[in-house]
Amino acid sequence: DGGITQSPKYLFRKEGQNVTLSCEQNLNHDAMYWYRQDPGQGLRLIYYSQIVNDFQKGDIAEGYSVSREKKESFPLTVTSAQKNPTAFYLCASTPVPVGNQPQHFGDGTRLSIL
Amino acid sequence: GESVGLHLPTLSVQEGDNSIINCAYSNSASDYFIWYKQESGKGPQFIIDIRSNMDKRQGQRVTVLLNKTVKHLSLQIAATQPGDSAVYFCAGVISGGSYIPTFGRGTSLIVHP
Repeated sequence: DGGITQSPKYLFRKEGQNVTLSCEQNLNHDAMYWYRQDPGQGLRLIYYSQIVNDFQKGDIAEGYSVSREKKESFPLTVTSAQKNPTAFYLCASTPVPVGNQPQHFGDGTRLSIL
Repeated sequence: GESVGLHLPTLSVQEGDNSIINCAYSNSASDYFIWYKQESGKGPQFIIDIRSNMDKRQGQRVTVLLNKTVKHLSLQIAATQPGDSAVYFCAGVISGGSYIPTFGRGTSLIVHP
């Protein structure tokens, strides 16, 4: 079955540490997205990529970094500059920019501070 | 210190009732709308979508209504079941722009057996 795989499901970060969240898709989708979800709030866009080797900042990119070296992979690094990283992180993809297609989501990574 | 999350709007219904979940959008240029269901600890799942050239679209047990005049859409779930308990949220997209959807905060649906 095709889908989006996020790992790990739970992640803990120590003070001053960078951590990387994995997102892999086997849907052959062009566009991939990272969202942050806080309790009782909607999804906020961190970064997105519509093509390999290219990505754009979303609304809350500060303290995060991404890469898109392969079509199927879009890892997110939460850097030590992100002072409030505790949240649920969701990765999504679409075959084309989402003007005419809904996004497919992974099952998320929950990041907490130790 | 302790942090307190915002509380989502909540809709409580009895099993077998019909549920109506509402969503308002602010940008009149939005022309594509999507409803998602999110169960606890999981990613959102697509339920149904609608384009702005339509007022109504039906799926299996679900209907979405779009009122462009007042910038409002609703999700109707017929014969609600305990398995429908989840957070539901809508997303709006402006085609021809960045195609990045804007998500609402969501509504928590609780179905009592």
